[in-house]
Amino acid sequence: DSGVTQTPKHLITATGQRVTLRCSPRSGDLSVYWYQQSLDQGLQFLIQYYNGEERAKGNILERFSAQQFPDLHSELNLSSLELGDSALYFCASSPPTLGSTDTQYFGPGTRLTVL
Amino acid sequence: AQTVTQSQPEMSVQEAETVTLSCTYDTSESDYYLFWYKQPPSRQMILVIRQEAYKQQNATENRFSVNFQKAAKSFSLKISDSQLGDAAMYFCAYRSAVGATNKLIFGTGTLLAVQP
Repeated sequence: DSGVTQTPKHLITATGQRVTLRCSPRSGDLSVYWYQQSLDQGLQFLIQYYNGEERAKGNILERFSAQQFPDLHSELNLSSLELGDSALYFCASSPPTLGSTDTQYFGPGTRLTVL
Repeated sequence: AQTVTQSQPEMSVQEAETVTLSCTYDTSESDYYLFWYKQPPSRQMILVIRQEAYKQQNATENRFSVNFQKAAKSFSLKISDSQLGDAAMYFCAYRSAVGATNKLIFGTGTLLAVQP
């Protein structure tokens, strides 16, 4: 158990819908990262937050958005869902020592299926 | 942009034997970190080993060790005394030590099968 929690574990929804994925980082970690794992694209970085502020963006679609709350949990919002959004979405967290050998610890992932 | 390449989609090893998984990367940076993550059938991403580019000594974690060749931009993982529980997808990952982002750039993975 990495200490990172993600809910829900599985999500099945229809095209055009909107869903919210939730992540709680390890105690003391300030950074949260979101990754998408799909058969087509492999493991891709989506977005990073540090202590409530957006730090970096990767290949995140405009239909997707995220935020990190004062209690440091993070939510990834996916809207106008398409079949191609079906994937495993990981959240990871790392300690507050930016620039050092901070390791990212991954949650168990949320499997999203869009029908 | 940095890239990570894993040229072996699948590998197989006999239990108790040794196997080496290959990884190459491309970067113009001199300071960075390299990782191997394991993803078993449960889909959990588990850190196996980490290497700092400024360290010449190869990292070792129990039965897992790396061969880090900075000039060749190569970062292979050696698993000794393979166990059934080592069967998983293994991902090589790169992280820059420069800038504000610590995002990981992953390779496409190598699926390791362990034969009893």
